[in-house]
Amino acid sequence: AQSVSQHNHHVILSEAASLELGCNYSYGGTVNLFWYVQYPGQHLQLLLKYFSGDPLVKGIKGFEAEFIKSKFSFNLRKPSVQWSDTAEYFCAVRGGTGGGNKLTFGTGTQLKVEL
Amino acid sequence: DSGVTQTPKHLITATGQRVTLRCSPRSGDLSVYWYQQSLDQGLQFLIQYYNGEERAKGNILERFSAQQFPDLHSELNLSSLELGDSALYFCASSVSTVGEQFFGPGTRLTVL
Repeated sequence: AQSVSQHNHHVILSEAASLELGCNYSYGGTVNLFWYVQYPGQHLQLLLKYFSGDPLVKGIKGFEAEFIKSKFSFNLRKPSVQWSDTAEYFCAVRGGTGGGNKLTFGTGTQLKVEL
Repeated sequence: DSGVTQTPKHLITATGQRVTLRCSPRSGDLSVYWYQQSLDQGLQFLIQYYNGEERAKGNILERFSAQQFPDLHSELNLSSLELGDSALYFCASSVSTVGEQFFGPGTRLTVL
């Protein structure tokens, strides 16, 4: 079965610092990759997605992610975070061995941005 | 607002009871997904329906069941509730079986 690892569980940054959140998935053939964000008290929202093509994907709110097939990774980046980026971030994978159409989520990374 | 609605927002019940969670997908979406988010298990896929038919099954317990009605809303039934069933239950919808999933606000279930 597909599995997703997010290595950073809690991250604290100051405003304007750069962000990189790691995400690795288990091998399973063709996969679609997603990053979702959950602001406090709100629903999950899609930040960006990768299906195919350019491995550097740009999403909303200045976020981007790079798909590195050889490393089974899909790391999320933002050059300069803002206080409003405080939220929980989830990496998700669709497809791969036994995956079907369901999303398999990582455990999430809680990001706190301090002023 | 994603366009996906879930009721109720909060539910508090006792062990052994049965509850029903409701989800209305975005207008035009035919596929509905249910996910469970708990502290120890994280976000886990439970089940997917497409146009009334079960499409995929995940780690859904036998005590849990779901259905999608002709008007495309879906219900998740949880029975013989245990303390460990306390979690946030999310519904998501998509246009097709492979489209982008839009998530609802969730139902927080507390089993006492």
